[in-house]
Parts: sequence; structure tokens; C-alpha cells
Amino acid sequence: LAKTTQPISMDSYEGQEVNITCSHNNIATNDYITWYQQFPSQGPRFIIQGYKTKVTNEVASLFIPADRKSSTLSLPRVSLSDTAVYYCLFGGFKTIFGAGTRLFVKA
Amino acid sequence: GAGVSQSPSNKVTEKGKDVELRCDPISGHTALYWYRQSLGQGLEFLIYFQGNSAPDKSGLPSDRFSAERTGGSVSTLTIQRTQQEDSAVYLCASSLGGPRSLDEKLFFGSGTQLSVL
Repeated sequence: LAKTTQPISMDSYEGQEVNITCSHNNIATNDYITWYQQFPSQGPRFIIQGYKTKVTNEVASLFIPADRKSSTLSLPRVSLSDTAVYYCLFGGFKTIFGAGTRLFVKA
Repeated sequence: GAGVSQSPSNKVTEKGKDVELRCDPISGHTALYWYRQSLGQGLEFLIYFQGNSAPDKSGLPSDRFSAERTGGSVSTLTIQRTQQEDSAVYLCASSLGGPRSLDEKLFFGSGTQLSVL
């Protein structure tokens, strides 16, 4: 089964850039890397997806090195509302979500 | 619909009773997934449907758990003879494509909080 490793928790302050790195050593050649955000009492929400190099959308950037064994989610200028759990995934529907990274943004 | 809808949002039942959880996926999404999330934990995969077929049932924790999907749309997860360890949030997701497709983005409902007393 696809397995990822992420920090359990991170703290930040409003306005800072936050980078969350995930390792995925056994990623397959055709696997995409996907990040989700989950607020309490809600299902996870898709943030960003990529295959290699860099992907940017309106909420985040995703950096993937050439060996694809890790990826970094970058959240620019976080706000209090970005306090949530962030999961990185690859390998499709059977991927173990893991406990994710609990990001706590302070004022 | 606009998003994945799950009902009920909360369900309290007594040990030994059967429960049915419902999921309405996003219209046009061919793939549907059920996950379970215990308090403070990540998501545990249960079962996946492509259309009405469930090619992978390996995540179902026991034979008390079953699921079906009709008309390529609504899905029902049934838990028979519920046990206290079944208490969790049951999440449903749908996707336009399927596993390992370029459209492999999951859209989740808000879940059903199941409490077995």
C-alpha cells in the first residue's frame, strides 16, 4: 500500500509562508501526488495535484523534485482560516491517508 | 448535485442494531468511495465502486459491512449488528474518473457521524 510520511504538526503565524513536506519513497511511475485539506467535522477538500516540478493554483504551490520521492506544499501568507489538517497522497483510492499534518495558525 | 451529499449527518444506535448510511455523489462521477475516520485519525479505505460494480472490497473490516450502488449514482453502506468499535465518521467521496486516471481528484461529503452505544 502507498505510504507517506509527514510531520505530525506545525505552528505558524498569520501572514507567514508555510511549507509542509511529505515523503513518498515507493511512489510508482504513473502516480500523481495530491494534497487535501480537512477542517473539523468536514470531509477532506482537494487543494492541489501534480506529477513533477512545480504546480501553482490560486491557493497553493506544489514542488516536486526530479526523483519524486517527496513533495512540498507551500501555502503563501497563511491566515487563521488555514488551520486544518493537510494530507498528501499518491497511489489512488487505496492510499493510506495517514494522520496528516495538523497546521495551527496563530494571530 | 453541487457536491457529495451524505445522510444522515449523525446517527446514534444501540449495539446490535443495523444501520444504513447513504451517499449521493456528484452527478456524472463514475467512481465512488467509502472511507472511515476514527477520532483524530486518518482515513481508512473501505470500498470503491466504478459504476455499480465494486472491484475492490478488501477494505471492509468484517462481513457485517456491505455496500451497494444503484443506477451508477446513490450508494448505501450497511453495517449489521453494530459494535461499539464501529463508532466513527463514515465519509463518502466521488471522482470523475477512477483510480490512477488523470482526473483522480476525490470530492468528499461531510460524513456521517456514527455513535454506537
